[in-house]
Amino acid sequence: NAGVTQTPKFQVLKTGQSMTLQCAQDMNHNSMYWYRQDPGMGLRLIYYSASEGTTDKGEVPNGYNVSRLNKREFSLRLESAAPSQTSVYFCASSGWTVDGNQPQHFGDGTRLSIL
Amino acid sequence: GQQVMQIPQYQHVQEGEDFTTYCNSSTTLSNIQWYKQRPGGHPVFLIQLVKSGEVKKQKRLTFQFGEAKKNSSLHITATQTTDVGTYFCAGPPRSARQLTFGSGTQLTVLP
Repeated sequence: NAGVTQTPKFQVLKTGQSMTLQCAQDMNHNSMYWYRQDPGMGLRLIYYSASEGTTDKGEVPNGYNVSRLNKREFSLRLESAAPSQTSVYFCASSGWTVDGNQPQHFGDGTRLSIL
Repeated sequence: GQQVMQIPQYQHVQEGEDFTTYCNSSTTLSNIQWYKQRPGGHPVFLIQLVKSGEVKKQKRLTFQFGEAKKNSSLHITATQTTDVGTYFCAGPPRSARQLTFGSGTQLTVLP
């Protein structure tokens, strides 16, 4: 029972490099999310996908792009990495019903350092 | 936009003491969720409150949703070292399929 799987777990980049963070869930959830977590800042939403085929900006989308490849997979891309993007990145997924939000299930995170 | 604030930011307690964290939203929430993140780990869902004035208990943890659905609290009775971690509240703006997380309260339990 994998839940939400993120790859890679750790990554070091140089300023200006690009990379894609991968996320996959096996819970048949409609909604998927990307967050970044910085010390003392809590979790900030970068982008989310309410359902397959849709993506929307969150609180801090600048410098990122996303792709909802299919119902299972939601990737986050940094086109030109900057030191300010050094953070821990979490992917999450959840179901959705007419009663409201369902709990979010998180992956283990990607620890990204940009030099 | 919606803001969700938590206090205190940090709390140190002796094992056996009680602990409370408070969560306040700038907007009315349709529901509120609480998560726990252990050091080096990822957030894990604890509970969801939906009704105005709702109170739910999980063993030593008591969760409360305010009457106006703009605030919530988590109270832990007789803390244990296993309670160490950061506790986050999170709530969606009305009709939104997303959550706004509070900044969290980091709990340290001294043995």
